[in-house]
Order: sequence, then C-alpha cells, then structure tokens
Amino acid sequence: GAVVSQHPSRVICKSGTSVKIECRSLDFQATTMFWYRQFPKQSLMLMATSNEGSKATYEQGVEKDKFLINHASLTLSTLTVTSAHPEDSSFYICSALSLDGGGPRDEQYFGPGTRLTVT
Amino acid sequence: AQTVTQSQPEMSVQEAETVTLSCTYDTSESNYYLFWYKQPPSRQMILVIRQEAYKQQNATENRFSVNFQKAAKSFSLKISDSQLGDTAMYFCAFMFSGGGADGLTFGKGTHLIIQP
Repeated sequence: GAVVSQHPSRVICKSGTSVKIECRSLDFQATTMFWYRQFPKQSLMLMATSNEGSKATYEQGVEKDKFLINHASLTLSTLTVTSAHPEDSSFYICSALSLDGGGPRDEQYFGPGTRLTVT
Repeated sequence: AQTVTQSQPEMSVQEAETVTLSCTYDTSESNYYLFWYKQPPSRQMILVIRQEAYKQQNATENRFSVNFQKAAKSFSLKISDSQLGDTAMYFCAFMFSGGGADGLTFGKGTHLIIQP
C-alpha cells in the first residue's frame, strides 16, 4: 500500500512554455502533499506544501507565480511550471502524507519523480 | 530553521562489512522526527529507518540501526553485513512534529558504494 505516482516521468519543453506535473496517491487519501526539487548530484529541497482545498505554502525563495500548485482532491496535487526556462530543468519529486491509516501519520510517501528538461 | 549536515560525501566499503554514516542536525525544537532515506539510481526515495525524538531507544530495522544522541544532535546510521544492493545515496532528514504537516529538511547526502 501507500503508493504515490507522478506523471509524466520525463518531459522536455521549450523555453517559455508551461508544463504540468501530476502527483497522485493511488491507494490512500492525502490532505497534504509536498513538492521537492533535486538538482543533479544534490539533495532534495522543499519547494512547497500543498493542502487539499487551500492555497499552497511556499518556501522562501520559491516563486509562487512561477510554480503553481493545485491540490483539488485528496488524491491529486499538480505542479505547473509556468514560462519555463532552462534553469528550471531539474528533477521534481512529490510526497504525500497518509490520512487514512495507510502508514504512520508522519511518514511521507514519495513519488518516483519527474525529470524536466527545458530547451 | 533547522539544518542537517552530512559530512561524508562518499564512502566505500567491502561487501559484508559494517559501515556507519554520520548525520548531525541543529534545531531549537524539542519534538521532531529524524529519518534516513535511500535513493538508488532509479531516484525513488525509500525510507530506511525513522526515529522519534522523544524515544530514547535507538530504532532498528533488520540490518539497519541508528545511534541517536539527542543532546549532541547526532543521528548516525549503521548498516551491518552490507550488501551490493545497499549501494545508493543516503539522505538524513529532519521533520518537525508540532502538529501540523511539515516538509522534510534533508542533508546533502552520502554516496555509499559497496564493493564486491
């Protein structure tokens, strides 16, 4: 149990376009999901906390108008990178906190990640 | 804000040996969780072990155990009888447990290589 999926796994887009990444909890409900960013050979950095039915909370230094987060249901959060530029190329990973006893309340279940390349 | 420090960028040991990965952290909070995550080449994050700060007993999961020293703010991971499949990036992570939902703060990671 406690599986989180991300789609797409890889995406290449042109500079100036927008791209949407989906994060789904497949077998549990998640009121809270998190978005992380990982540059090559670096660690994961928390970008934002996504709460179902409310506005996302962004970490300092993360542009909320550039990284739009929508958490419309208990199983889906989306991250839209708007007007993407080459410096946005990175590995984006989501995680979800279980609401319904799929695991420890404080354990985050990670998606497999999305590799974004902006040309 | 909390910080997590992993001072070993890379470690290499022979198969079946025991290896210890270091992690220190800094926080003013008293209620928190600490985690070790494994990230293999697939980049899927895998939880290795977790420790609640209020628990004095060190967590163990089969070949994996931690040495949690709360006063020293140290949280090292010991891998016994290391296996080739243990080769991966290992990240130490902190999460505040104040009642709300908080994200994880990660260290920079240690690349562990198990040699045959």
